[in-house]
Amino acid sequence: SQKIEQNSEALNIQEGKTATLTCNYTNYSPAYLQWYRQDPGRGPVFLLLIRENEKEKRKERLKVTFDTTLKQSLFHITASQPADSATYLCALGENNNDMRFGAGTRLTVKP
Amino acid sequence: DVKVTQSSRYLVKRTGEKVFLECVQDMDHENMFWYRQDPGLGLRLIYFSYDVKMKEKGDIPEGYSVSREKKERFSLILESASTNQTSMYLCASIQSGVRANEKLFFGSGTQLSVL
Repeated sequence: SQKIEQNSEALNIQEGKTATLTCNYTNYSPAYLQWYRQDPGRGPVFLLLIRENEKEKRKERLKVTFDTTLKQSLFHITASQPADSATYLCALGENNNDMRFGAGTRLTVKP
Repeated sequence: DVKVTQSSRYLVKRTGEKVFLECVQDMDHENMFWYRQDPGLGLRLIYFSYDVKMKEKGDIPEGYSVSREKKERFSLILESASTNQTSMYLCASIQSGVRANEKLFFGSGTQLSVL
Protein backbone atom coordinates (compact mmCIF):
# COMPACT_ATOMS: atom_id res chain seq x y z
CA SER A 1 0.00 0.00 0.00
CA GLN A 2 1.05 3.60 -0.42
CA LYS A 3 2.56 5.34 2.59
CA ILE A 4 4.09 8.67 3.44
CA GLU A 5 5.86 8.56 6.78
CA GLN A 6 7.33 11.42 8.72
CA ASN A 7 9.53 9.66 11.18
CA SER A 8 9.14 11.89 14.19
CA GLU A 9 5.81 12.97 15.54
CA ALA A 10 7.58 15.60 17.64
CA LEU A 11 11.05 17.11 17.65
CA ASN A 12 12.47 19.40 20.33
CA ILE A 13 15.67 21.33 19.72
CA GLN A 14 17.57 24.24 21.19
CA GLU A 15 17.55 27.65 19.54
CA GLY A 16 20.42 28.07 17.11
CA LYS A 17 20.69 24.37 16.26
CA THR A 18 19.75 22.76 12.96
CA ALA A 19 16.44 20.92 12.85
CA THR A 20 16.28 17.93 10.49
CA LEU A 21 12.92 16.41 9.60
CA THR A 22 12.47 13.23 7.55
CA CYS A 23 9.88 12.17 5.03
CA ASN A 24 9.88 8.64 3.61
CA TYR A 25 7.48 7.24 1.06
CA THR A 26 6.60 3.84 -0.39
CA ASN A 27 4.76 2.85 -3.56
CA TYR A 28 4.74 6.35 -4.98
CA SER A 29 6.46 7.79 -8.03
CA PRO A 30 6.29 11.48 -7.21
CA ALA A 31 6.99 14.10 -9.81
CA TYR A 32 7.77 16.46 -6.93
CA LEU A 33 7.78 16.69 -3.18
CA GLN A 34 6.72 19.68 -1.11
CA TRP A 35 7.07 20.89 2.45
CA TYR A 36 4.43 22.92 4.26
CA ARG A 37 4.31 24.67 7.60
CA GLN A 38 1.16 24.59 9.74
CA ASP A 39 0.53 26.69 12.82
CA PRO A 40 -2.14 25.67 15.36
CA GLY A 41 -5.67 26.33 14.09
CA ARG A 42 -4.48 27.39 10.65
CA GLY A 43 -4.21 25.81 7.23
CA PRO A 44 -0.81 24.64 5.94
CA VAL A 45 1.37 27.17 4.12
CA PHE A 46 3.68 26.17 1.28
CA LEU A 47 7.43 26.42 1.94
CA LEU A 48 9.44 24.58 -0.68
CA LEU A 49 9.06 22.31 -3.67
CA ILE A 50 11.70 19.94 -5.03
CA ARG A 51 11.33 18.00 -8.25
CA GLU A 52 12.31 14.40 -8.90
CA ASN A 53 15.35 15.43 -10.92
CA GLU A 54 16.65 17.82 -8.25
CA LYS A 55 18.87 16.76 -5.38
CA GLU A 56 18.73 19.84 -3.20
CA LYS A 57 16.83 23.12 -2.88
CA ARG A 58 17.49 26.06 -0.59
CA LYS A 59 15.49 29.05 0.54
CA GLU A 60 17.02 31.29 3.18
CA ARG A 61 17.51 29.08 6.28
CA LEU A 62 15.62 26.15 4.74
CA LYS A 63 17.16 23.29 2.79
CA VAL A 64 15.41 20.29 1.26
CA THR A 65 17.00 17.19 -0.22
CA PHE A 66 15.30 14.55 -2.32
CA ASP A 67 16.68 11.06 -2.86
CA THR A 68 14.45 9.05 -5.19
CA THR A 69 16.58 5.95 -4.69
CA LEU A 70 16.10 5.99 -0.93
CA LYS A 71 12.57 7.38 -1.42
CA GLN A 72 13.31 10.02 1.15
CA SER A 73 13.34 13.77 1.63
CA LEU A 74 15.14 15.63 4.40
CA PHE A 75 14.06 19.10 5.50
CA HIS A 76 16.58 21.23 7.39
CA ILE A 77 16.10 24.49 9.26
CA THR A 78 19.45 26.03 10.14
CA ALA A 79 19.99 28.52 12.98
CA SER A 80 16.54 27.61 14.30
CA GLN A 81 14.47 30.16 16.19
CA PRO A 82 11.48 29.81 18.55
CA ALA A 83 9.36 31.33 15.74
CA ASP A 84 10.12 28.21 13.68
CA SER A 85 8.04 26.15 16.13
CA ALA A 86 5.18 24.64 14.12
CA THR A 87 4.09 21.41 12.47
CA TYR A 88 5.84 20.61 9.22
CA LEU A 89 4.16 18.46 6.60
CA CYS A 90 5.58 16.78 3.55
CA ALA A 91 3.41 16.19 0.51
CA LEU A 92 3.86 14.19 -2.67
CA GLY A 93 2.55 15.15 -6.07
CA GLU A 94 2.33 12.61 -8.85
CA ASN A 95 0.32 15.20 -10.75
CA ASN A 96 -1.74 18.21 -9.84
CA ASN A 97 -4.83 16.13 -9.31
CA ASP A 98 -3.36 13.99 -6.61
CA MET A 99 -1.65 15.52 -3.56
CA ARG A 100 -1.01 13.30 -0.54
CA PHE A 101 0.38 14.32 2.84
CA GLY A 102 2.34 12.79 5.67
CA ALA A 103 1.09 13.07 9.26
CA GLY A 104 3.52 15.89 10.08
CA THR A 105 6.27 16.55 12.60
CA ARG A 106 5.66 19.02 15.41
CA LEU A 107 8.83 21.04 15.90
CA THR A 108 9.48 22.95 19.11
CA VAL A 109 12.49 25.27 19.27
CA LYS A 110 13.37 26.20 22.83
CA PRO A 111 15.08 29.51 23.67
CA ASP B 1 -1.83 36.31 -3.20
CA VAL B 2 -4.42 33.58 -3.58
CA LYS B 3 -7.22 33.57 -1.11
CA VAL B 4 -9.09 30.41 -0.19
CA THR B 5 -12.04 31.13 2.06
CA GLN B 6 -13.93 28.57 4.09
CA SER B 7 -17.35 29.75 5.16
CA SER B 8 -17.19 28.67 8.80
CA ARG B 9 -14.34 28.55 11.28
CA TYR B 10 -16.22 26.44 13.83
CA LEU B 11 -19.35 24.38 13.36
CA VAL B 12 -21.37 22.25 15.78
CA LYS B 13 -23.94 19.85 14.36
CA ARG B 14 -26.07 16.99 15.62
CA THR B 15 -25.84 13.38 14.50
CA GLY B 16 -27.94 12.80 11.39
CA GLU B 17 -27.93 16.40 10.22
CA LYS B 18 -26.98 17.29 6.66
CA VAL B 19 -23.92 19.53 6.74
CA PHE B 20 -22.57 21.82 4.03
CA LEU B 21 -18.99 23.10 4.12
CA GLU B 22 -18.29 25.80 1.58
CA CYS B 23 -15.00 26.82 0.03
CA VAL B 24 -14.31 29.67 -2.39
CA GLN B 25 -11.04 30.57 -4.14
CA ASP B 26 -10.38 33.80 -5.98
CA MET B 27 -7.54 32.88 -8.37
CA ASP B 28 -9.29 30.96 -11.11
CA HIS B 29 -7.68 27.67 -10.08
CA GLU B 30 -8.85 24.55 -11.87
CA ASN B 31 -8.19 22.05 -9.11
CA MET B 32 -9.75 22.06 -5.67
CA PHE B 33 -9.45 19.60 -2.80
CA TRP B 34 -11.12 18.67 0.47
CA TYR B 35 -9.01 17.13 3.23
CA ARG B 36 -9.74 16.20 6.79
CA GLN B 37 -7.06 16.40 9.44
CA ASP B 38 -7.00 14.32 12.58
CA PRO B 39 -4.26 14.06 15.23
CA GLY B 40 -1.66 11.48 14.26
CA LEU B 41 -3.25 10.84 10.88
CA GLY B 42 -2.29 13.97 9.03
CA LEU B 43 -4.29 15.27 6.09
CA ARG B 44 -6.40 12.69 4.33
CA LEU B 45 -7.87 13.42 0.94
CA ILE B 46 -11.65 13.13 0.78
CA TYR B 47 -12.48 14.38 -2.71
CA PHE B 48 -10.95 16.57 -5.37
CA SER B 49 -12.21 18.30 -8.46
CA TYR B 50 -10.23 19.23 -11.56
CA ASP B 51 -13.00 21.11 -13.35
CA VAL B 52 -16.54 22.37 -12.97
CA LYS B 53 -18.94 19.49 -12.36
CA MET B 54 -16.01 17.03 -12.25
CA LYS B 55 -15.09 15.17 -9.09
CA GLU B 56 -12.81 12.34 -8.08
CA LYS B 57 -12.79 10.29 -4.90
CA GLY B 58 -9.81 10.57 -2.64
CA ASP B 59 -8.79 8.10 0.04
CA ILE B 60 -11.77 8.43 2.38
CA PRO B 61 -14.90 9.47 0.42
CA GLU B 62 -17.39 7.37 2.38
CA GLY B 63 -20.06 9.48 4.05
CA TYR B 64 -19.21 12.54 1.97
CA SER B 65 -20.20 14.04 -1.34
CA VAL B 66 -19.08 17.18 -3.17
CA SER B 67 -20.44 19.75 -5.55
CA ARG B 68 -18.66 22.03 -7.98
CA GLU B 69 -21.17 24.04 -9.93
CA LYS B 70 -18.87 27.04 -10.40
CA LYS B 71 -15.13 27.10 -10.84
CA GLU B 72 -14.46 29.15 -7.74
CA ARG B 73 -16.65 27.17 -5.35
CA PHE B 74 -16.21 23.63 -4.03
CA SER B 75 -18.67 22.32 -1.45
CA LEU B 76 -18.31 19.33 0.83
CA ILE B 77 -21.54 17.68 1.96
CA LEU B 78 -22.01 15.33 4.88
CA GLU B 79 -25.28 13.64 3.98
CA SER B 80 -25.96 12.41 7.53
CA ALA B 81 -23.35 13.61 9.99
CA SER B 82 -21.89 11.09 12.41
CA THR B 83 -19.65 11.54 15.45
CA ASN B 84 -16.67 10.00 13.62
CA GLN B 85 -16.81 12.90 11.20
CA THR B 86 -15.77 15.30 13.95
CA SER B 87 -12.57 16.74 12.52
CA MET B 88 -10.76 19.73 11.05
CA TYR B 89 -11.73 20.11 7.38
CA LEU B 90 -9.36 21.89 5.05
CA CYS B 91 -10.06 23.10 1.54
CA ALA B 92 -7.24 23.76 -0.93
CA SER B 93 -6.79 24.82 -4.52
CA ILE B 94 -4.00 24.66 -7.08
CA GLN B 95 -3.34 25.96 -10.54
CA SER B 96 -2.93 23.32 -13.24
CA GLY B 97 -2.38 23.10 -16.96
CA VAL B 98 0.00 25.46 -18.70
CA ARG B 99 0.05 27.84 -15.71
CA ALA B 100 0.70 25.06 -13.21
CA ASN B 101 2.70 26.04 -10.17
CA GLU B 102 2.25 22.86 -8.14
CA LYS B 103 1.63 24.78 -4.93
CA LEU B 104 -1.45 24.18 -2.84
CA PHE B 105 -3.20 27.13 -1.24
CA PHE B 106 -5.22 26.25 1.84
CA GLY B 107 -8.12 27.81 3.62
CA SER B 108 -7.99 28.35 7.38
CA GLY B 109 -10.04 25.25 8.07
CA THR B 110 -13.41 24.41 9.58
CA GLN B 111 -13.42 22.64 12.93
CA LEU B 112 -16.56 20.51 12.82
CA SER B 113 -17.95 18.89 15.94
CA VAL B 114 -20.75 16.36 15.56
CA LEU B 115 -22.59 15.68 18.80
